Amino acid sequence: GQQVMQIPQYQHVQEGEDFTTYCNSSTTLSNIQWYKQRPGGHPVFLIQLVKSGEVKKQKRLTFQFGEAKKNSSLHITATQTTDVGTYFCAGRDNNDYKLSFGAGTTVTVRA
Amino acid sequence: DTGVSQDPRHKITKRGQNVTFRCDPISEHNRLYWYRQTLGQGPEFLTYFQNEAQLEKSRLLSNRFSAERPKGSFSTLEIQRTEQGDSAMYLCASSFRGENTEAFFGQGTRLTVV
Repeated sequence: GQQVMQIPQYQHVQEGEDFTTYCNSSTTLSNIQWYKQRPGGHPVFLIQLVKSGEVKKQKRLTFQFGEAKKNSSLHITATQTTDVGTYFCAGRDNNDYKLSFGAGTTVTVRA
Repeated sequence: DTGVSQDPRHKITKRGQNVTFRCDPISEHNRLYWYRQTLGQGPEFLTYFQNEAQLEKSRLLSNRFSAERPKGSFSTLEIQRTEQGDSAMYLCASSFRGENTEAFFGQGTRLTVV
């Protein structure tokens, strides 16, 4: 079955620095979604990427979908304390309706 | 609140007991998902409904787990003869039908089996 892997598992960032988290799927995806889960909270949808090579931006967050639609990345610039949380990528196979989640990247920020 | 709601938020049960959780999805959504999440892991797919039909069930799910969505609205997840390994956060999510739709998650039910 489909497997989605994320690296790194933990990211400790100095406030103001940039970082990137990566997501890789064992199969080609029809789309990929990113979610953020704050400590003690539930996953909240951030964005969806559908097209090969697609890039989308949300303020300081830049999301990219690979050309082969098997990998994705999330880049955060000028990290703030509000960025603390766990970021999950979740992929959908072609002909499959469920989202398969990666293990997430947990971000902590040093002020 | 028109989001996905789950009840109860927390459940502590003794090993061997049965538990049932409820999920009320966003009313216009015809898809409903159950996921399980343990510490340090991403949500793990359990099962999925489109309206009242259960279309997929994870092979990881033992026969002790059953889910229903009798009228295509709310759903229940029952775990029979609970084991300590069942301790986790059980998340419900709903979405519109379609390939490119986002999932809206509830706050989850945290189960502790003692």
